[in-house]
Amino acid sequence: LAKTTQPISMDSYEGQEVNITCSHNNIATNDYITWYQQFPSQGPRFIIQGYKTKVTNEVASLFIPADRKSSTLSLPRVSLSDTAVYYCLVGDMNTDKLIFGTGTRLQVFP
Amino acid sequence: DAGITQSPRYKITETGRQVTLMCHQTWSHSYMFWYRQDLGHGLRLIYYSAAADITDKGEVPDGYVVSRSKTENFPLTLESATRSQTSVYFCASSEGTVLQPQHFGDGTRLSIL
Repeated sequence: LAKTTQPISMDSYEGQEVNITCSHNNIATNDYITWYQQFPSQGPRFIIQGYKTKVTNEVASLFIPADRKSSTLSLPRVSLSDTAVYYCLVGDMNTDKLIFGTGTRLQVFP
Repeated sequence: DAGITQSPRYKITETGRQVTLMCHQTWSHSYMFWYRQDLGHGLRLIYYSAAADITDKGEVPDGYVVSRSKTENFPLTLESATRSQTSVYFCASSEGTVLQPQHFGDGTRLSIL
């Protein structure tokens, strides 16, 4: 199962677009990529999931290149409330195996 | 209210003692998970369960025991706690496969002295 690597931290300002990349060089054919958001003293919360190309929902977009060795979570126009830790998760539906990344701490400044 | 609840929220115990962390979900989700979260390691899967009476090991199962006699409950037991098991523990549930969005509890902060 693919090991994932994320930047430890990122800083941004309100209103900017933030892109957080997760590397998963050994991703397998059956693996999907999922992103979660976590606030202090809370459990992670689902943001978005994808397999390839681009997925968009009301809060984020997920970009996955053709080789699927990385994925990028894009948060448009961040606000202070987006300050959190963001995790990517690579999961295989056929084997039930899951690997979380170590998380990226995003700090948004006014 | 529907949701997933963990108890206790905080626990302090001593090495060698047995401790059980409880997890209860009201959605009747088939899958349930236990993770530990440590600085520098993110979330690591300890055990998971695809249905009642079906459990399987995750990435870091050593020193832990789980059971799932009922769909809604998934307790995690440390049979003889060690200091290395000091961590924040999260329970989660999802319907269908492991790829379905997981719903997490608020965690149990466990300190082993």
